[in-house]
Amino acid sequence: KAGVTQTPRYLIKTRGQQVTLSCSPISGHRSVSWYQQTPGQGLQFLFEYFSETQRNKGNFPGRFSGRQFSNSRSEMNVSTLELGDSALYLCASSLGDVDNQPQHFGDGTRLSIL
Amino acid sequence: AQKITQTQPGMFVQEKEAVTLDCTYDTSDQSYGLFWYKQPSSGEMIFLIYQGSYDEQNATEGRYSLNFQKARKSANLVISASQLGDSAMYFCAMREGGYSSGSKIIFGSGTRLSIRP
Repeated sequence: KAGVTQTPRYLIKTRGQQVTLSCSPISGHRSVSWYQQTPGQGLQFLFEYFSETQRNKGNFPGRFSGRQFSNSRSEMNVSTLELGDSALYLCASSLGDVDNQPQHFGDGTRLSIL
Repeated sequence: AQKITQTQPGMFVQEKEAVTLDCTYDTSDQSYGLFWYKQPSSGEMIFLIYQGSYDEQNATEGRYSLNFQKARKSANLVISASQLGDSAMYFCAMREGGYSSGSKIIFGSGTRLSIRP
């Protein structure tokens, strides 16, 4: 069974640009969550999508947005990039409706802002 | 608000010894789930073990066990017979409520475990 796939693995952008990250969940998983990981702030929850609907949202500005498609694949978009957006962005998938099932993470996209 | 506290930023342990990683949590909800993840230097997050708030027995998965003390709100991870490959960052995480209510998972700040040969 294939794991969670995130593309691209690495990305370099400049301030003011926008970026789109992609996440393909494990087959059968309907929930996709996104996290930002930085050395200073640790792992912070961005948002969760379940069956194409945003079910939960963290405390991030509106520049961070996402969506989920009918095949459960998800994309995350960050507009007007700032230096502080440099981070490892992790995507995690789960069944989404069974409480004792964990989230399974992808390898992440490392975003660097110049 | 839910909160996860890991008080050990780093630990050094001799190979083959057992190690306990501390985790305390704060929640007012009666239903919640606790997870431990391992993150090697390569970056991927690996799920280790889960404990539900209503589970009466401590969870175990191979060399990993979770010492769940509900009254003290602690969920310590115990690794028996540590191996060099256990060197990694370990995160404790909690989900408050159930998935269907749209609950999110929050993570502690992590403990960096280093195994000495």
